[in-house]
Amino acid sequence: QLQQWGAGLLKPSGTLSLTCTVYGGSFSGYQWNWLRQSPGKGLEWIGEINHAGSTNSNPSLKNRITLSVDTSRNQFSLNMTSVTAADTAMYYCARGPISPYDYIGGTYRLAVPYYFDFWGQGTLVTVSS
Amino acid sequence: EIVMTQFPATLSVSPGEGATLSCRASHNISRSLAWYQQKPGQAPRLLMYGASTRATGIPPRFSGSGSGTDFTLTISSLQSEDFAVYFCQHYNNWPPWTFGQGTKVEIK
Repeated sequence: QLQQWGAGLLKPSGTLSLTCTVYGGSFSGYQWNWLRQSPGKGLEWIGEINHAGSTNSNPSLKNRITLSVDTSRNQFSLNMTSVTAADTAMYYCARGPISPYDYIGGTYRLAVPYYFDFWGQGTLVTVSS
Repeated sequence: EIVMTQFPATLSVSPGEGATLSCRASHNISRSLAWYQQKPGQAPRLLMYGASTRATGIPPRFSGSGSGTDFTLTISSLQSEDFAVYFCQHYNNWPPWTFGQGTKVEIK
């Protein structure tokens, strides 16, 4: 089970901070993800982090986001700076697969199906002055 | 970035009838496709991955097919709990993973 929380109302130029706690099951090995959903842009993948702190993020958001992990608490977090009204959305945390990437021939490649099988309840974040 | 396009945007179906939803990828994604169901006020729920493998607990009236760029989700006989929005998602090769805009299946 994933339970998430964070501030729901932000002013433009502020920083969005969300945390997701994983209850039950293993934390290590999985990829932990943030996604968001808005009426205008649909579902959008924000980024992923694993227990070791390795991350990938959406190039469209990469310069504004920081992903972090606290394995002692089975938690992972999202920080997004310089928010605008365009960042207004329902934000979800979600579990990805175990160890999905292989390092072959000098590059990383996806080795298993990458889908999201468990989701948090969602946090509505509104950016408004 | 791979663009996923779903059609139709809305599908009106009577309970007990079948429904066919389509998803098209802008590039060849082999069978690297997942489907999700979302009901109002809920997070998406995984239905299918690998284009045609049902996730745990998903009833057999849901089936998926396709490869390359064109995919289909079929619901053989719609039950009341199946009226929802359905999304496809690709996971070809490397992030960013992208989703289609969704197909709403509504009661006719």
